[in-house]
Amino acid sequence: EVQLVESGGGFVQPGRSLRLSCAASGFTFDDHAMHWVRQAPGKGLEWVSGINWKGVNIAYADSVKGRFTISRDNAKNSLYLQMNSLRSEDTALYYCAKDISPAIYCSGDCALDHWGQGALVTVSS
Amino acid sequence: QSALTQPASVSGSPGQSITISCTGTSSDVGSYVSWYQQHPGKAPELIIYEVTKRPSGISNRFSGSKSGNTASLTISGLHDEDEADYYCYSYAGSGTWVFGGGTKLTVL
Repeated sequence: EVQLVESGGGFVQPGRSLRLSCAASGFTFDDHAMHWVRQAPGKGLEWVSGINWKGVNIAYADSVKGRFTISRDNAKNSLYLQMNSLRSEDTALYYCAKDISPAIYCSGDCALDHWGQGALVTVSS
Repeated sequence: QSALTQPASVSGSPGQSITISCTGTSSDVGSYVSWYQQHPGKAPELIIYEVTKRPSGISNRFSGSKSGNTASLTISGLHDEDEADYYCYSYAGSGTWVFGGGTKLTVL
């Protein structure tokens, strides 16, 4: 059974940093691209960042570019999101999601077929 | 990276069919559109990918299509448990992805 478990969320002041982790199990982690998707309270889904199977190809939403860094450790079956210079508008539930494809530059089956339960990040003074 | 455009809400009675549209530009609504169902307090679930494909375990009451820059999700034979939020998601190029704003489906 595929499992994605996020951790590292919490309450943080504006301008500070936080690191999210996602522990994956139940599938061959390094066969798949991984993504972070967030959902602000009462709002819709927003794609944040994606990383290919090898960790070489990475992309970010404009809203987080230059502040967030995605990474993965295939030996530990883990995905990370380093969030710096946090703003109040970054307050959201952050989901880790598994892609059907190994690539983020889609050229075939691409979709988010498994999701974690999310880690809540609250940015407030 | 502008969000894809979806109607804010749709409704239908049990047994009826409804269609949710998802409109973007030629650079984002291409062949890699997928759809997600999200019940309150739950994580999203993939219900359609690559415009028309259904993951195993998803009811054939859910179907997808695309015409030009608009993708559509059709739910036939509405059930009470179909009441949820629905999101389209598409490749926007250069490794980036974009969601639609979401549609709240009410089963009357």
